[in-house]
Amino acid sequence: GAVVSQHPSWVICKSGTSVKIECRSLDFQATTMFWYRQFPKQSLMLMATSNEGSKATYEQGVEKDKFLINHASLTLSTLTVTSAHPEDSSFYICSARDLETQYFGPGTRLLVL
Amino acid sequence: AQSVTQLGSHVSVSEGALVLLRCNYSSSVPPYLFWYVQYPNQGLQLLLKYTTGATLVKGINGFEAEFKKSETSFHLTKPSAHMSDAAEYFCAVSEKGNTPLVFGKGTRLSVIA
Repeated sequence: GAVVSQHPSWVICKSGTSVKIECRSLDFQATTMFWYRQFPKQSLMLMATSNEGSKATYEQGVEKDKFLINHASLTLSTLTVTSAHPEDSSFYICSARDLETQYFGPGTRLLVL
Repeated sequence: AQSVTQLGSHVSVSEGALVLLRCNYSSSVPPYLFWYVQYPNQGLQLLLKYTTGATLVKGINGFEAEFKKSETSFHLTKPSAHMSDAAEYFCAVSEKGNTPLVFGKGTRLSVIA
């Protein structure tokens, strides 16, 4: 089946630093990938849609200068949280679309101190 | 705009009992419907999906769901609950698989021994 990986699975950083999260589709090529944020005991909130070779489309209220998304290849998308602050602490999940189905990565837990 | 309503944020069943998780959707076009399961601190795993064709779809781990257009529903069932089924379940809809998934708020399933 379609497998999506994320790295790192856990990251702790100091306030003001930047953190990069990688999302890879391991056994298929994904023209489109998605980035979600999930707060405790809540559903997933779509942050942005990432299309290979073009600029990401951000959802309303998501700061594109703070959450930089790059989708340089058909198997890799990255999310960089710039100048992270404690309120950015969350669970970030990526997904990659294979035909009509989205497959999800295992998530990255970010804690900003 | 599409939307998903999951009735019941928490469902508790006894081991061996029927599992029924409810999902109703709203869509102006024929929907693609999905059920995902999330275990603690993990990403989402696809349980099953409906795109076209047979309205009763079977998924992994003994789960199945039936697309009922007249009721705009896509309820998830399993004849006999196992302890390992305890998790968070999300219903989602997309427009012909080309648009980002719209998720319900999730239903937490507890299984009592």
